[in-house]
Amino acid sequence: AQKITQTQPGMFVQEKEAVTLDCTYDTSDPSYGLFWYKQPSSGEMIFLIYQGSYDQQNATEGRYSLNFQKARKSANLVISASQLGDSAMYFCAMREAGGTGGFKTIFGAGTRLFVKA
Amino acid sequence: DSGVTQTPKHLITATGQRVTLRCSPRSGDLSVYWYQQSLDQGLQFLIQYYNGEERAKGNILERFSAQQFPDLHSELNLSSLELGDSALYFCASSVGTSGSLDNEQFFGPGTRLTVL
Repeated sequence: AQKITQTQPGMFVQEKEAVTLDCTYDTSDPSYGLFWYKQPSSGEMIFLIYQGSYDQQNATEGRYSLNFQKARKSANLVISASQLGDSAMYFCAMREAGGTGGFKTIFGAGTRLFVKA
Repeated sequence: DSGVTQTPKHLITATGQRVTLRCSPRSGDLSVYWYQQSLDQGLQFLIQYYNGEERAKGNILERFSAQQFPDLHSELNLSSLELGDSALYFCASSVGTSGSLDNEQFFGPGTRLTVL
């Protein structure tokens, strides 16, 4: 069965430093997508970055990069130059084809990031 | 603002009751997804509709049902409510052309349901 594991319930990082949030996944489907979302205390879900299973290069979006290691089934999020506004819950998610042309997305338990001034 | 709207923002009801949550996707998006976020279960995918048809099903209880209307808005119906159904219910939308795993999903602000 598909599974997403985020082993860090909480993380602290000093402002302006880089931080890596871990994510491992398990699937037998060769075609899948990996996502990271941010959920601030206000509750909305904000898309950060996407990596396709067939993508050769790691995805980057501004200060966010995804360290994709397919053989190890890991998709870690790297946030460079942390800012106070990065304090939030971060979710790793995997999307697979769900039959009849649809898509199922499963989420990890999340990592709460605290950025210290 | 993601462009996805959800109503109501908050809903308080009693056990055994039935409620309807409404979602309007972004203009042009054909797919609607429903998620439940609770403290004990985390974020769970419930169901996906694409252009009016059910396309994928997750951990959706039999007491829950959804539909997508011709104008593409969607409703999630929750019946015989239990205390454990208290959660934040998100709707998301995407362009959703079949076969495109990289369609970004845009989340609405959520409906917070409290069952007393």
